[in-house]
Amino acid sequence: AQSVAQPEDQVNVAEGNPLTVKCTYSVSGNPYLFWYVQYPNRGLQFLLKYITGDNLVKGSYGFEAEFNKSQTSFHLKKPSALVSDSALYFCAVRDPLNNNDMRFGAGTRLTVKP
Amino acid sequence: EPEVTQTPSHQVTQMGQEVILRCVPISNHLYFYWYRQILGQKVEFLVSFYNNEISEKSEIFDDQFSVERPDGSNFTLKIRSTKLEDSAMYFCASIPSKYTDTQYFGPGTRLTVL
Repeated sequence: AQSVAQPEDQVNVAEGNPLTVKCTYSVSGNPYLFWYVQYPNRGLQFLLKYITGDNLVKGSYGFEAEFNKSQTSFHLKKPSALVSDSALYFCAVRDPLNNNDMRFGAGTRLTVKP
Repeated sequence: EPEVTQTPSHQVTQMGQEVILRCVPISNHLYFYWYRQILGQKVEFLVSFYNNEISEKSEIFDDQFSVERPDGSNFTLKIRSTKLEDSAMYFCASIPSKYTDTQYFGPGTRLTVL
């Protein structure tokens, strides 16, 4: 069965510094990988996805993620963090052949301090 | 931009009572989902729905749960006899077709069972 793991419950960075939120995946075959963000009292907002093609994908709000097949990773990155980036971030993987089979990681809480 | 909406934003109920959580998916979408997020934990798939029937459900989705699309716009999740452990955030999501890779989530309904 496919799954994702987010090894860090919490990530703290200072405003202006680069940030990385880690995600590793386990699938049989080629994965569809996603990042979603959840702001307080809000639903999940789509940030970016990797389906195929260029390993570096760019998404909303200046975020990007790099698909690394050899390390089975899909880390979320941003060159310069903002205080407003503070939120809960979820990595997710979906079976390309089954829309219904979407698995989320446990989430990583990002706190950006001024 | 069209959004998935959910009502109510917060529902408080007594154990054993029935609750109905409502979702209005994006109007041209055909596939609908419910997810659950227990506080501080990962987002878990509950059920998917297409063409007026359940297409897949998880082990969480037992006989206490049911879904319905009573008209052309609403998609509901009913819990017949709520338990304390049903307290969670419930998210609805939709996609326009099975070829769509990104699910669109609503803001969620926080269910508190006392």
